[in-house]
Amino acid sequence: GDSVTQMEGPVTLSEEAFLTINCTYTATGYPSLFWYVQYPGEGLQLLLKATKADDKGSNKGFEATYRKETTSFHLEKGSVQVSDSAVYFCALSESSSGYALNFGKGTSLLVTP
Amino acid sequence: GAGVSQSPSNKVTEKGKDVELRCDPISGHTALYWYRQSLGQGLEFLIYFQGNSAPDKSGLPSDRFSAERTGGSVSTLTIQRTQQEDSAVYLCASSLGPGAGGNTIYFGEGSWLTVV
Repeated sequence: GDSVTQMEGPVTLSEEAFLTINCTYTATGYPSLFWYVQYPGEGLQLLLKATKADDKGSNKGFEATYRKETTSFHLEKGSVQVSDSAVYFCALSESSSGYALNFGKGTSLLVTP
Repeated sequence: GAGVSQSPSNKVTEKGKDVELRCDPISGHTALYWYRQSLGQGLEFLIYFQGNSAPDKSGLPSDRFSAERTGGSVSTLTIQRTQQEDSAVYLCASSLGPGAGGNTIYFGEGSWLTVV
């Protein structure tokens, strides 16, 4: 079945450091890929998405490129801020699973001043 | 606001009791999802409603779990004879239509359930 594997945290970075959170997936078809973010005390929010191979999703300085050849969707940001501290979830969705989101276990990011 | 609303936000119940968790999706959203978020388990899909179609119940962990959606809007997740392993945050989400690729899925803030 479909699955998502993302790097385990917690990840601790200094402000302005470069961020990469790795995500790889297994799917039977052609899924859409997502990054969701959960800030402390808040609900899950969509950060960015890509619906086909080679698409790049971007939002708030974060980027991720849908790589079909490596079945990956790594999240990157060039310069993190303290306000980026949150838990980040990689997810996929495809029609064979009824479009429900299939999430990774989440990666906790802490950015220190 | 106009987001997904869940109640109660917190619930402590005794083992063996039944609980009901409610979800009000965003108005006009035809797709509704329930997820469970447990410590160390990530986000687990439970059930999916789309319009008047039969729900996808493939994620429900046991027959103690059930959900209904009345009038295509409000949904209730019921857990019968609760067990300690049911302790988790139960998240509801909705989207305008099926398919997360073309429709953004919006999440509520969750109902924290503690079974003692």
